[in-house]
Amino acid sequence: DIQMTQSPSAVSASVGDRVTITCRAGQVISDYLLWFQQKPGKVPQRLIFRSSSLRDGVPSRFSASGSATEFNLTISSLQPEDFATYYCLQHSTYPWTFGQGTKVEVK
Amino acid sequence: QLLQSGGGVVQPGGSLRLSCTASGFGVSAAAMNWFRQAPGGGLEWVSTISGNSDIIKYGDSVKGRFTTYRDNSERTAYLQMNSLSLDDTAVYYCAVGVDVWGQGTLVTVSS
Repeated sequence: DIQMTQSPSAVSASVGDRVTITCRAGQVISDYLLWFQQKPGKVPQRLIFRSSSLRDGVPSRFSASGSATEFNLTISSLQPEDFATYYCLQHSTYPWTFGQGTKVEVK
Repeated sequence: QLLQSGGGVVQPGGSLRLSCTASGFGVSAAAMNWFRQAPGGGLEWVSTISGNSDIIKYGDSVKGRFTTYRDNSERTAYLQMNSLSLDDTAVYYCAVGVDVWGQGTLVTVSS
């Protein structure tokens, strides 16, 4: 199984801050990496596909990069609605595996 | 939208079947996925079934106990869960691909 190591597990930030979340894959997964946002009590929403492509409708303050084994999700200027938990998911190989999640909290 | 049903409370060793029905759109060509999230925990992929059911995959933690199948004429996918354990307690989500999710259904395994 491919282990996805996501860091940090939590980050305290303020509106306007820049936040970067990292996912490291235990082996090469090319660009088969998705990023999700989940708010409490809500279903996850995919933000990013193919490791760096923004889904339609996702604000441009979100960006992502990476390939092979290291991937980043960046929020350039945190907005109130961005406080949530973020997960990466590799879908290169079954079983698909998620990172542990990063909770973006109010500082 | 995807409408889920079938969750509830079950004793360890028991069985439960979850349903996931597409409303307003066809899903016969789309892979459907099942995910779960334990209380306060992260997301876990459970299973994938291809549009024509020729490819079915399971996570290691449910392999041999859970069975995924679908009835495209009914626009419904199912997750049959057997030999349930306390560790299976979670909200279970179905999804068409990774973008259209059901509302989730809580499965509680408790004695």
